[in-house]
Amino acid sequence: LAKTTQPISMDSYEGQEVNITCSHNNIATNDYITWYQQFPSQGPRFIIQGYKTKVTNEVASLFIPADRKSSTLSLPRVSLSDTAVYYCLVGFGTDKLIFGTGTRLQVFP
Amino acid sequence: NAGVTQTPKFRVLKTGQSMTLLCAQDMNHEYMYWYRQDPGMGLRLIHYSVGEGTTAKGEVPDGYNVSRLKKQNFLLGLESAAPSQTSVYFCASSRGQRNQPQHFGDGTRLSIL
Repeated sequence: LAKTTQPISMDSYEGQEVNITCSHNNIATNDYITWYQQFPSQGPRFIIQGYKTKVTNEVASLFIPADRKSSTLSLPRVSLSDTAVYYCLVGFGTDKLIFGTGTRLQVFP
Repeated sequence: NAGVTQTPKFRVLKTGQSMTLLCAQDMNHEYMYWYRQDPGMGLRLIHYSVGEGTTAKGEVPDGYNVSRLKKQNFLLGLESAAPSQTSVYFCASSRGQRNQPQHFGDGTRLSIL
């Protein structure tokens, strides 16, 4: 059964590093893992994408272990503006793209 | 550059009424998608299109129809609206289906009474 699992919510303080994990046991061999950020009343926005090991861009890092059954989005030194819902998107099989149920991140001053 | 534009932004319908949601993208993307977002359930794929004139079913297609007559437009139709279709609907587009980032519109909030 294709499924992605994320924690429902996380709290952090400004300046801390936040790590959000997504579990995806049945990911397809050739599929990437993609993470999105969503603010209220807006559509999801692309953050980062990876296939294996580690990917880093100007806003986040993505860690993917060798078995690819999970992935971890890392947000360095979060600020209040990082308060949002974060989704992972994973492909399963030949025609399934499954979003996780989302992790609501609350950043406190 | 508008990206992905959804029309309308809000709508209230009565049970049994029909309506069409319009999605337009100006990025020349081949792939387009319709999702619904419900509390606690993330985004679920309704239908998608891999190019002009083609459509395919996603995870939750029942009660919806779609059309892709022009490359830039993807229409989502509800023939006979039901309260269970109350949701926020998002359209997205991408250069490819599986491994290309999707660009989303800001959603249509639909309430069925």
